[in-house]
Amino acid sequence: KAGVTQTPRYLIKTRGQQVTLSCSPISGHRSVSWYQQTPGQGLQFLFEYFSETQRNKGNFPGRFSGRQFSNSRSEMNVSTLELGDSALYLCASSLTFLYEQYFGPGTRLTVT
Amino acid sequence: DAKTTQPNSMESNEEEPVHLPCNHSTISGTDYIHWYRQLPSQGPEYVIHGLTSNVNNRMASLAIAEDRKSSTLILHRATLRDAAVYYCILRDVRGGGSNYKLTFGKGTLLTVNP
Repeated sequence: KAGVTQTPRYLIKTRGQQVTLSCSPISGHRSVSWYQQTPGQGLQFLFEYFSETQRNKGNFPGRFSGRQFSNSRSEMNVSTLELGDSALYLCASSLTFLYEQYFGPGTRLTVT
Repeated sequence: DAKTTQPNSMESNEEEPVHLPCNHSTISGTDYIHWYRQLPSQGPEYVIHGLTSNVNNRMASLAIAEDRKSSTLILHRATLRDAAVYYCILRDVRGGGSNYKLTFGKGTLLTVNP
């Protein structure tokens, strides 16, 4: 069974630009969550989607948004990038909320 | 969210057992105890979870105190590949709202010496 895939793996953007990250969950998994990991703040929850509906959102500004498609694939978008958005963005999928989450390798975003 | 407390770091020798503690004194009756680990340059990886009884799987064992205010992740024979940050997380079985997310603390950095 293929794992969670994230594209791209690495990305360099300039302040003020926007970026879209993609996540393909494990086949059959309908829940997709996104996390941001930085050295200072650690792993922080961004949002979670199930059957195309956002069920919970973390404490991030509105510049961070996401969506989920009917095939469970998910994208997250960050607009008006700031230097502080440089981080590893992780996507995780699971069957339902209580089951274990399977994480992808992450997308390393660098904002210059 | 119920809070967990873990030591910042621990050290072990290869092929010896490792006991990673976690305190969760404010745990509620509907909180599951989950453990994840993150190897260097990888996303977190599920290890094990339990509610009240001790649990075993191919990766580790989870020992839960009778009052559920603490738990211990046991790696029976540590290998170099087990060097990682280990996170102890509580998740409410009732679900809904904030329960859909994993709330990561700082975890315990496990170093395994050859």
